[in-house]
Amino acid sequence: GQNIDQPTEMTATEGAIVQINCTYQTSGFNGLFWYQQHAGEAPTFLSYNVLDGLEEKGRFSSFLSRSKGYSYLLLKELQMKDSASYLCAVRMNSGGYQKVTFGIGTKLQVIP
Amino acid sequence: DAMVIQNPRYQVTQFGKPVTLSCSQTLNHNVMYWYQQKSSQAPKLLFHYYDKDFNNEADTPDNFQSRRPNTSFCFLDIRSPGLGDAAMYLCATSRGQGGREQYFGPGTRLTVT
Repeated sequence: GQNIDQPTEMTATEGAIVQINCTYQTSGFNGLFWYQQHAGEAPTFLSYNVLDGLEEKGRFSSFLSRSKGYSYLLLKELQMKDSASYLCAVRMNSGGYQKVTFGIGTKLQVIP
Repeated sequence: DAMVIQNPRYQVTQFGKPVTLSCSQTLNHNVMYWYQQKSSQAPKLLFHYYDKDFNNEADTPDNFQSRRPNTSFCFLDIRSPGLGDAAMYLCATSRGQGGREQYFGPGTRLTVT
């Protein structure tokens, strides 16, 4: 089985930095994704980690520690348009194929 | 632009009346997925196709069926929708199961009256 935990809601100020944490327990781990989802819209891909360490892409960075079952998404220079849900998703080997399981998402509100 | 397209964006059906949701893709990806997402919940995988091979999740109700007539198209059939089936239905594709990410369509929001 698998279990993915992330905070339900967060609030941060425009221009600030926010870190969204994700912990997971799973067997057959094979990568972790972060997706952004605006209300009523489809998720869009932000980042992918399969090895330990930090992946940086513009204002967004994602970190993974496989031994700790832990990841975070770091958003810098927050903008109002960053208000959205951020979904942590874990890929695992399951029954001969690879399956991605999503966390419930962290709803981020950026305030002026 | 290559993309994943879902039609319709909004669908209203009556309790017990069969409904079909459509998904098409121009990415030529060999894997297609159907997710159900209810308000404030995680997307829940219903099933996926790896090429023509169909993989059903163990907890997907029998009420949900799928067809993939060719690489580009995939359909979700709900045989007898219940009120609990009201949700956003997301279609996604990936380039192989080891693909780095899934590309999502805009979703179809299903209302059951």
